[in-house]
Amino acid sequence: QQQVKQSPQSLIVQKGGIPIINCAYENTAFDYFPWYQQFPGKGPALLIAIRPDVSEKKEGRFTISFNKSAKQFSLHIMDSQPGDSATYFCAASIVNSGGSNYKLTFGKGTLLTVNP
Amino acid sequence: NAGVTQTPKFRVLKTGQSMTLLCAQDMNHEYMYWYRQDPGMGLRLIHYSVGEGTTAKGEVPDGYNVSRLKKQNFLLGLESAAPSQTSVYFCASSYSLRVSANYGYTFGSGTRLTVV
Repeated sequence: QQQVKQSPQSLIVQKGGIPIINCAYENTAFDYFPWYQQFPGKGPALLIAIRPDVSEKKEGRFTISFNKSAKQFSLHIMDSQPGDSATYFCAASIVNSGGSNYKLTFGKGTLLTVNP
Repeated sequence: NAGVTQTPKFRVLKTGQSMTLLCAQDMNHEYMYWYRQDPGMGLRLIHYSVGEGTTAKGEVPDGYNVSRLKKQNFLLGLESAAPSQTSVYFCASSYSLRVSANYGYTFGSGTRLTVV
């Protein structure tokens, strides 16, 4: 059972465009939604994260939009640059589980290419 | 500050051989994880640990064993390698909520394993 569904699998945009990557989750107990960025040959790195008490979070050119009722969240990259070309993963976890542990469930990833 | 270090970076095994992948972190993180990354499958959790001396199964644990004898090290073992275990393996670590509100994962740079 895939708990976090990510789309599209790949995305090509021109420099300056606004790529949007979408994720949907099934488990209503999820309460932490991070996005990770991975460059070729490297491990994923935390990009931005959101909790369900807010509908939007911005950090620089990256924005997460969150729709709790639809169980969906998305990543928007404003003024995209060729250096943003990477694989992006959404993820979800249950943080408020008594603080004992948490495990991230990842989407399958989106390969973003930003052409010059 | 090295973060999360994985060794080796590359390895080719013959079917039936055994090996151990080492993960070391210097951030005093309580939690550690092993993921495998396969094309089109995203990141799947193999095993994880919430503290020294403790381990637990993740989503795809079959064919793997782990040990966490020291807080800073998390070992992943393949007792009898199979071609289906050809993958890129990532180790990650994080704080627990009892220690810090920063619960983002820090990933290593990966081990590319080929089983022939």
